[in-house]
Parts: sequence; C-alpha cells; structure tokens
Amino acid sequence: GNSVTQMEGPVTLSEEAFLTINCTYTATGYPSLFWYVQYPGEGLQLLLKATKADDKGSNKGFEATYRKETTSFHLEKGSVQVSDSAVYFCALSDERAGTALIFGKGTTLSVSS
Amino acid sequence: DSGVTQTPKHLITATGQRVTLRCSPRSGDLSVYWYQQSLDQGLQFLIQYYNGEERAKGNILERFSAQQFPDLHSELNLSSLELGDSALYFCASSGKLAGAYNEQFFGPGTRLTVL
Repeated sequence: GNSVTQMEGPVTLSEEAFLTINCTYTATGYPSLFWYVQYPGEGLQLLLKATKADDKGSNKGFEATYRKETTSFHLEKGSVQVSDSAVYFCALSDERAGTALIFGKGTTLSVSS
Repeated sequence: DSGVTQTPKHLITATGQRVTLRCSPRSGDLSVYWYQQSLDQGLQFLIQYYNGEERAKGNILERFSAQQFPDLHSELNLSSLELGDSALYFCASSGKLAGAYNEQFFGPGTRLTVL
C-alpha cells in the first residue's frame, strides 16, 4: 500500500541555519505530494505541493522537489526563523487509491534565537 | 483561518460514552474528510463524504460512524469510547472529488479526552 516515511525529530536549529527534513514515499501510482505544517494548538496548513515528477513546490522560503527516481520529496529552507518552529508533515494523495491524504509521522522543528 | 469550523474544541468524557463531533466545511466545498491524530498512530484517515454520500473509508473503527447532511456539514459519532480513542480529530474539506491536485483545508480540530 501507499505510505510516507519522514525523518524522526525533533530537529533543533539555530536561527538562520539551513533546514532539511527528509521524506520518502511508496505509491503504486503517480501521487501528488504535499508538505503540511501544524503550528502549536492549530490545525494543519498546506505549505507546498507538487503534482508530478520534477515539479518544485515552494512557499515562504521552503522548497521541495518531487523526485520520482528516488521517491523523495525533501523539505528545505535556506535560513530558518524562530517562527518556523512547528510540526511538519509530508503527505501523499494517490487518486487511484482515493483522494484521502496519507501522512508521515511528522517532524518537530524547534528554532532558537 | 482555513474556513473549516469544528465544534467543540475540547471534549472530556468517560469510557463507554458516546460523543458527536461536528464539522462545517469551507463554503462551496462538497467533500469532507475526517482524520484522527494520536501520539502512537500519527495522523490517520478515517472516512470521506462527498455531497452527502460516503466515498472512502480508512482506518475507522466499527464503533465510529459519520454522516454528511444536506447543508454539507458533517458529524463524526464515536460510541463505546475507550481510553485509546483519546486523540485530536480533524475535519478537512476539499472542492475536488478526484484529481492529481487535491488540496484539503483543515479545521482546528476537536481534542477528545476519554477518562
């Protein structure tokens, strides 16, 4: 079945450090890939998405590239801020298996000043 | 603000009881999804409704059920509650039934505590 694997956290960084959160997926079809962010006490917000191979999603300085050959969708940001502290979820949606999102377990990012 | 509302925000109840969680999707969205977020299982898809009809089922227990009403709001019913049902329950809505791009907008969640 379809699944998503994320690097385990927590990830602790200093402000302005480079961020990478690894995400790999298993899917039978050609899924769409997403990164969602959950700030403390809030629901999930879509951070970025990519719908086909080699697409790059980007938003608020975050980027992720859909790599079909390595089945990966790693999240990166060049310079993190304290306000980026949150839980990040990688997810996929494979319309051949329905439209529900399948999530990784989430990675907690903590950024200190 | 995603435009998806959920009530109540918090719910504390006892084992064996039954509760109802409510979700109102974004204006115009026909599809509603329910997810459960727990420490041990992570975020899991429970069930999806589209325009009043059940479309897909995930890891939903038989003790749980849901429905979507003509005004498109949805309710998730949890019965014979157990300690392990304590979790954050999210509702999400989407305007698209299918397709490669399927952005879902999440509500703030209902935190259920079973004592």
